[in-house]
Amino acid sequence: ELKVEQNPLFLSMQEGKNYTIYCNYSTTSDRLYWYRQDPGKSLESLFVLLSNGAVKQEGRLMASLDTKARLSTLHITAAVHDLSATYFCAVSNEKLTFGTGTRLTIIP
Amino acid sequence: GAVVSQHPSWVICKSGTSVKIECRSLDFQATTMFWYRQFPKQSLMLMATSNEGSKATYEQGVEKDKFLINHASLTLSTLTVTSAHPEDSSFYICSARDSHNYHISGARSYNEQFFGPGTRLTVL
Repeated sequence: ELKVEQNPLFLSMQEGKNYTIYCNYSTTSDRLYWYRQDPGKSLESLFVLLSNGAVKQEGRLMASLDTKARLSTLHITAAVHDLSATYFCAVSNEKLTFGTGTRLTIIP
Repeated sequence: GAVVSQHPSWVICKSGTSVKIECRSLDFQATTMFWYRQFPKQSLMLMATSNEGSKATYEQGVEKDKFLINHASLTLSTLTVTSAHPEDSSFYICSARDSHNYHISGARSYNEQFFGPGTRLTVL
């Protein structure tokens, strides 16, 4: 059974700081997604990572994938309040298995 | 493009009643749709995979007689929660996969799931 774990579960950080969210998964998969969810809303797609070593960046967010380590990271650079949300990674093997989620709060 | 709608956005019902939730792909055909359930402060859990013209595939622990899924067309799947009880209160999210439109990134192709806005069900 595929298991997907995120670390940390909760993250409170000051504006302007950098931080990384980690996503570990238990079985081989070379397709990984990152999503953002605002309170009461559905999912917003951020990144899809398809191959080992893939790196994608959008604004202050950068995602990477290491399929050998079964690890993906979501790096936040110079955080701003608008990035406050819950972030999920999800691993795809025909169907999506979601991580536990990381609730990110950016403090002014 | 790739818009998925859900109806209703929220519903409040009495215990014992049935509730139907619709999921529509508005600008593409989806042979496969997925139904997820999300309890407060938790992650999304896949309930079932809905295939057009055939029976849905339910995940372990999901009662198929309680959560009826119909996928009668390439743009519509419905989830009916039968005899709803307070413990069924949750946020239900569908997604649809555009089976005919593969995205290309480098040498890899994939078809992404597009998520609906969700339906919040409260059973009193």
